[in-house]
Amino acid sequence: RKEVEQDPGPFNVPEGATVAFNCTYSNSASQSFFWYRQDCRKEPKLLMSVYSSGNEDGRFTAQLNRASQYISLLIRDSKLSDSATYLCVVNNFNKFYFGSGTKLNVKP
Amino acid sequence: DTAVSQTPKYLVTQMGNDKSIKCEQNLGHDTMYWYKQDSKKFLKIMFSYNNKELIINETVPNRFSPKSPDKAHLNLHINSLELGDSAVYFCASSQDQAGFGEQFFGPGTRLTVL
Repeated sequence: RKEVEQDPGPFNVPEGATVAFNCTYSNSASQSFFWYRQDCRKEPKLLMSVYSSGNEDGRFTAQLNRASQYISLLIRDSKLSDSATYLCVVNNFNKFYFGSGTKLNVKP
Repeated sequence: DTAVSQTPKYLVTQMGNDKSIKCEQNLGHDTMYWYKQDSKKFLKIMFSYNNKELIINETVPNRFSPKSPDKAHLNLHINSLELGDSAVYFCASSQDQAGFGEQFFGPGTRLTVL
């Protein structure tokens, strides 16, 4: 079983839509959680860390459910520039495990 | 200024050759990593160094040998290249060894083995 699993998508949504991604992780002892964004043929960049209490950064909201071992990312009012692959990342004892990413296409 | 830089950006080579990829970070971070991203886009950790010391070696064939001459540099040497080594290799750094902080990635090195 993979450490981190994500729906690969693609999610095709119109501008202005709200879209949500989920990710599950296998190790209940995982310590820290992140969402990274990767544009085509570019390096991953941190979008946001995910805290147990949930956290928001502008149009982006991240949630962590430790009991069910899943992490979510909600994007409100999608912009064309949000088109990218979103990577769920989990840290276990200094090792980072990346999901294969969920591709988002925002259409005009 | 580029925070994490890698050279070369593209590398095309024949099976059996030996090649090196260089990585440098100017962020003053103590921890550096090598990742491999395959054709299915899985990003998998290969090595992690903290202040020039190897702390993670993830069941990588011993044809891959990382070297950290100082904490700002982490190079990757690959011997006897195989077709399956074709991938994008990313270097990254972070200030926090424990894994609670952000990782900063280099632009990647796209390796093609023919």
